[in-house]
Order: sequence, then structure tokens, then C-alpha cells
Amino acid sequence: QPVLTQSSSASASLGSSVKLTCTLSSWHSSYIIAWHQQQPGKAPRYLMKLESSGSYNKGSGVPDRFSGSSSGADRYLTISNLQSEDEADYYCETWDSNTWVFGGGTKLTVL
Amino acid sequence: QVQLQESGPGLVKPSETLSLTCTVSGGSISTSGYYWGWIRQPPGKGLEWIGSIYYSGNTYYNPSLKSRVTISVDTSKNQFSLKLSSVTAADTAVFYCARHVSYSGDRHLDHWGQGTLVTVSS
Repeated sequence: QPVLTQSSSASASLGSSVKLTCTLSSWHSSYIIAWHQQQPGKAPRYLMKLESSGSYNKGSGVPDRFSGSSSGADRYLTISNLQSEDEADYYCETWDSNTWVFGGGTKLTVL
Repeated sequence: QVQLQESGPGLVKPSETLSLTCTVSGGSISTSGYYWGWIRQPPGKGLEWIGSIYYSGNTYYNPSLKSRVTISVDTSKNQFSLKLSSVTAADTAVFYCARHVSYSGDRHLDHWGQGTLVTVSS
């Protein structure tokens, strides 16, 4: 079963950019992941699907400020021109043989 | 746009069975190409996948919860349900229902319900 590792926290200034990382276990380094955003007190929201090639497909209504990229076992979520509403928890998700796993989540603080 | 809505008791006694239903609107639960799942989030903690069901009735469970979980689907009502038996305080969480795609190896979650808090307490 794959394991997803995320830093517990990150911070960046309003209007700047931040790059969040989700690392797949080495045996699963080619896997597709998905990124989800959970604003305080709300349900998670699907942001994008991200492949090992770096190709990504965003969900409906996700702003252009959100983009994805990949390098080896690492999957990145980059948020440009940070807004106050981007302060949230970000989770990555993957699956294998009809079981699903989540990373521990990264709490993003917008300064 | 598909929407999912959880419903069920907000308080369950220890050792009893937690039962929740997810009603799907804006699309048919019988459409091929989608799984329907349950995820939980204990207060202040991360997300944990509980299990999922295909419209045909095939079920898939988190190995750590498998002995206590049953997920079923009612296509006539466009609903799917979760039962978690022998609950303890450790099962207190916000429970989300969600949809996964199922296409060419892709299985990501793409729609979430708003979530419902279930507290286990006597």
C-alpha cells in the first residue's frame, strides 16, 4: 500500500507563491495523486489530479493560481499570488488495488 | 453538477452501530465509471478512507476497519450507506461521503459531501 508524506505546516506571505510537497513511497513513485483543499470548518474540495509526468487536470472552478508539477516520487502543488482564502489544510490522495490513502496534510498559513 | 449529502444520527452510544446515508443528486449513482466512498476525520486530525462501493455492489474496505464496516447501495433511492459496528469514543469524527472516478486506472476523489459530525458518547 502506498504511503504519502507531507510536511505538517507551511507559511508564505500574501501575494507570494508557495510550493507544497507530497512524497510517495519509493515503490509507488510513478503513481497518480490528487490534491484537496480543506478551508477551516469546511469539507475538503478537490483541486487537481497530478500524474508522474507533471501533467495535471484541475477540478471545476479551481483558480488558475493553482498548478501542479512532479519530480520523481515528489508531487507538488504551487499556489501563486496567495490570497487569504488559500489559508487551509492541503491533502494529497492516492490509491492502489481499490484501497485509498491520504497524506497527513499540510497546514498553510498566509502571513 | 453532482452533489452529495450525508444524513444520520449525530450521537451514538458506545458499543452500538453507527449508521449514515449519503444521498446523491445531480447524477445517477448507477452510472458506470464511479465509486462511492466514505471518509472520516477525527476532530483536529487528518482524513482516513473507510471504504467504497461500486454501483454494481462490489465493496472495498480499509483493512484496519474491515471487520466493523458495511457499505451498501440503494440505486432506487440514489443513496449509499455506511454501517460501523461496535463504536467507541475513538470513532468520533466528521464523516464525509464522496465520489471517486473510475477510468483507466484513475480512481481519484472528485466530489465531496459537506460532512456530518458523529459523536460516540453515553
